[in-house]
Amino acid sequence: EAEVAQSPRYKITEKSQAVAFWCDPISGHATLYWYRQILGQGPELLVQFQDESVVDDSQLPKDRFSAERLKGVDSTLKIQPAELGDSAMYLCASSIGGEQFFGPGTRLTVL
Amino acid sequence: LAKTTQPISMDSYEGQEVNITCSHNNIATNDYITWYQQFPSQGPRFIIQGYKTKVTNEVASLFIPADRKSSTLSLPRVSLSDTAVYYCLVGDHPSGGYNKLIFGAGTRLAVHP
Repeated sequence: EAEVAQSPRYKITEKSQAVAFWCDPISGHATLYWYRQILGQGPELLVQFQDESVVDDSQLPKDRFSAERLKGVDSTLKIQPAELGDSAMYLCASSIGGEQFFGPGTRLTVL
Repeated sequence: LAKTTQPISMDSYEGQEVNITCSHNNIATNDYITWYQQFPSQGPRFIIQGYKTKVTNEVASLFIPADRKSSTLSLPRVSLSDTAVYYCLVGDHPSGGYNKLIFGAGTRLAVHP
């Protein structure tokens, strides 16, 4: 069964450092999403791509976060500089217009 | 987007039927109701979706009354592996594919031996 891949699974960094997360969606899925999930809360959408174009980044803190999906396939989410409050699970999901399939996530700890 | 309200937590025992009710008083005509399940350290997983009346699949049933202001996810004969967080979401596209999924805090279900 096809799955959404994410790496790394865990990342520990110090505040003010840069971090990057990678997502490989299910093959053929045109829509890709990045979510942030703080412990004890539900996931919150950060950015949504349709192919290589951003269709919603209204909740993305653009002063420090950036996301790209250059060839409309895999995607990278970057944080620079990381802050203590960025500690969370970062989830990637993909869809082909229907159900969203989530990856295992990257757990970020900022010290 | 319609806001949903569901219990913060529930407890059950193995073999029992569990019903989790979600309130969505401001649901719009075009909105569908979708439930996701999330295990610790994993991403959410789609369980079931419906628009009205009753929907059943191999995992769960979804009951939606005529006014659609609430819905109930029913898990038959739960096991320990059903311990998870269950999210109720409302959106105006089937499975929320093109729509922003607004997750609340969900319902933490604990199944005991």
